[in-house]
Amino acid sequence: DAGVIQSPRHEVTEMGQEVTLRCKPISGHDYLFWYRQTMMRGLELLIYFNNNVPIDDSGMPEDRFSAKMPNASFSTLKIQPSEPRDSAVYFCASSLAVADPYNEQFFGPGTRLTVL
Amino acid sequence: GESVGLHLPTLSVQEGDNSIINCAYSNSASDYFIWYKQESGKGPQFIIDIRSNMDKRQGQRVTVLLNKTVKHLSLQIAATQPGDSAVYFCAERVGGYQKVTFGTGTKLQVIP
Repeated sequence: DAGVIQSPRHEVTEMGQEVTLRCKPISGHDYLFWYRQTMMRGLELLIYFNNNVPIDDSGMPEDRFSAKMPNASFSTLKIQPSEPRDSAVYFCASSLAVADPYNEQFFGPGTRLTVL
Repeated sequence: GESVGLHLPTLSVQEGDNSIINCAYSNSASDYFIWYKQESGKGPQFIIDIRSNMDKRQGQRVTVLLNKTVKHLSLQIAATQPGDSAVYFCAERVGGYQKVTFGTGTKLQVIP
């Protein structure tokens, strides 16, 4: 298995531009998570999906951020318009939904976003 | 950009020694705890987990201890190796089947 795949690995853009980050979860996994990691705030959960349905988006910073999961094998995180404070590493993770209590999350390699 | 960042606590150990990484959690309602390892340039990787009704759990070269009285979690790594050098995060499940909250992390440096 190739693991969780994220693209692009690096993105440099200018303030005000739209940014789209992409994720392909591990085949068969039911949960998909988007995290943001910065030195200031550590690793934060932005949103997660179960069977393509958003379950909790309370971590999404503001309306500039949106996430979709049109099918079981693809998700996007979009920032429009982007701002310098959005600069971070964005991780996608996926996990299986099985019995209690918890299934490990498998993380992708991350996308390093720099907004100038 | 950011001018001030989190100061990650750093633990330096000699190769072959045992390492103990500590974590304090705040929510007494947390029912599940997990340790993740993050190597430079990579995403976090699951190491070991423990339920709140347990005090200790052992894996291969790793042991997690849970003290609910003082809300403290520790990860012990036996015979630390250079490949153990990474940032280690504890995470807690506060509520919800899969949602977890990560701590700020501890950097482990192994001295050859």
